[in-house]
Amino acid sequence: DTGVSQDPRHKITKRGQNVTFRCDPISEHNRLYWYRQTLGQGPEFLTYFQNEAQLEKSRLLSDRFSAERPKGSFSTLEIQRTEQGDSAMYLCASSSTGGFQPQHFGDGTRLSIL
Amino acid sequence: GQQLNQSPQSMFIQEGEDVSMNCTSSSIFNTWLWYKQDPGEGPVLLIALYKAGELTSNGRLTAQFGITRKDSFLNISASIPSDVGIYFCASLEGSGGGADGLTFGKGTHLIIQP
Repeated sequence: DTGVSQDPRHKITKRGQNVTFRCDPISEHNRLYWYRQTLGQGPEFLTYFQNEAQLEKSRLLSDRFSAERPKGSFSTLEIQRTEQGDSAMYLCASSSTGGFQPQHFGDGTRLSIL
Repeated sequence: GQQLNQSPQSMFIQEGEDVSMNCTSSSIFNTWLWYKQDPGEGPVLLIALYKAGELTSNGRLTAQFGITRKDSFLNISASIPSDVGIYFCASLEGSGGGADGLTFGKGTHLIIQP
């Protein structure tokens, strides 16, 4: 069990650029979640996959955000035309299936928009 | 969506003291989770609670799921320097059979003075 892995750990970009983050879940975890965390707040849910299917999206996930999990393993989160307000820590979590299973988090990608 | 209210917002204590923090909501939840987050890292699951009234321990940590299902508390006994961090309560946002995104409180920041 190598844990949830996220890449990159830090990303600095100019406003208006596109960015993409990657998440590798714990192997054999079918469920994968994306969260956003801003300073002084708890993580906020963005979206959820079961295998390759995106089953739930939060209202926080604007149309500039897109997430994929093409083969049901790793996932990517893309933000297009980044804005200052997108600066945050983006966290990925995974869990196994079967009722409620605790979510295990990666160490996140910290995005800074200049 | 539902909100979780954590208190206190921050705690300054002496090493060796016991710590108590809680989380309340106006809504009923079926699961309560407690996570700890260190700077620059993702949240780490400490304790998961699944039944009203349940009392669960993990080393020096003890958490309880309130009888009303609207609250939970976390106690830490004999605090040590590595207990420093931000403690979050979390619960399920919806009723998707256990696969929903989590709702987090804003956290309790624990600071320990040697």
